[in-house]
Amino acid sequence: AQSVAQPEDQVNVAEGNPLTVKCTYSVSGNPYLFWYVQYPNRGLQFLLKYITGDNLVKGSYGFEAEFNKSQTSFHLKKPSALVSDSALYFCAVRDEGATNKLIFGTGTLLAVQP
Amino acid sequence: NAGVTQTPKFRVLKTGQSMTLLCAQDMNHEYMYWYRQDPGMGLRLIHYSVGEGTTAKGEVPDGYNVSRLKKQNFLLGLESAAPSQTSVYFCASRMTSGDTGELFFGEGSRLTVL
Repeated sequence: AQSVAQPEDQVNVAEGNPLTVKCTYSVSGNPYLFWYVQYPNRGLQFLLKYITGDNLVKGSYGFEAEFNKSQTSFHLKKPSALVSDSALYFCAVRDEGATNKLIFGTGTLLAVQP
Repeated sequence: NAGVTQTPKFRVLKTGQSMTLLCAQDMNHEYMYWYRQDPGMGLRLIHYSVGEGTTAKGEVPDGYNVSRLKKQNFLLGLESAAPSQTSVYFCASRMTSGDTGELFFGEGSRLTVL
């Protein structure tokens, strides 16, 4: 069965430093991968997606993600973190058996210290 | 453009009481979803709908019912609330099976069952 894993419950980074939030996936075919962000007391917002093509995907708010097929990973990155990036980040994969559904990871809390 | 709107935003229930959460979207989306979010468990799909008049079970459907009488509305009902249903509930929508799967979320409804 397909799944996504976010191995870190929390990531701490200093403002101005690069950040990485990790995600690995397990699917049998070609994955459709997504990143969402949730700010406190808000709903999830779409950041970016990988469907096919270039392995480096650019999204909202300066975020990007790198698709690595050999490592089955889709890590979220940003060159220079902002305090306002502090939020909960979710990785998701489209369900191969039911393409109208997304399977979410458990989330990673990003804390950016000033 | 309001997007996805959930009501109520907060509710406290006693065990055994019933209630309905309303989700409304103004984007003419075909698909609608109800998720619950619990600490350390990410988002779990309760029920979903692929069009007006249709509903289907998700990952954790027990104790909940849904209805999609109008395309723009998706109702989630709790017949007899239990403390285990204390959670934050999110509604989401997307266009159609032909798109890549991006979901649009409401801001959440926080439910406490005493």
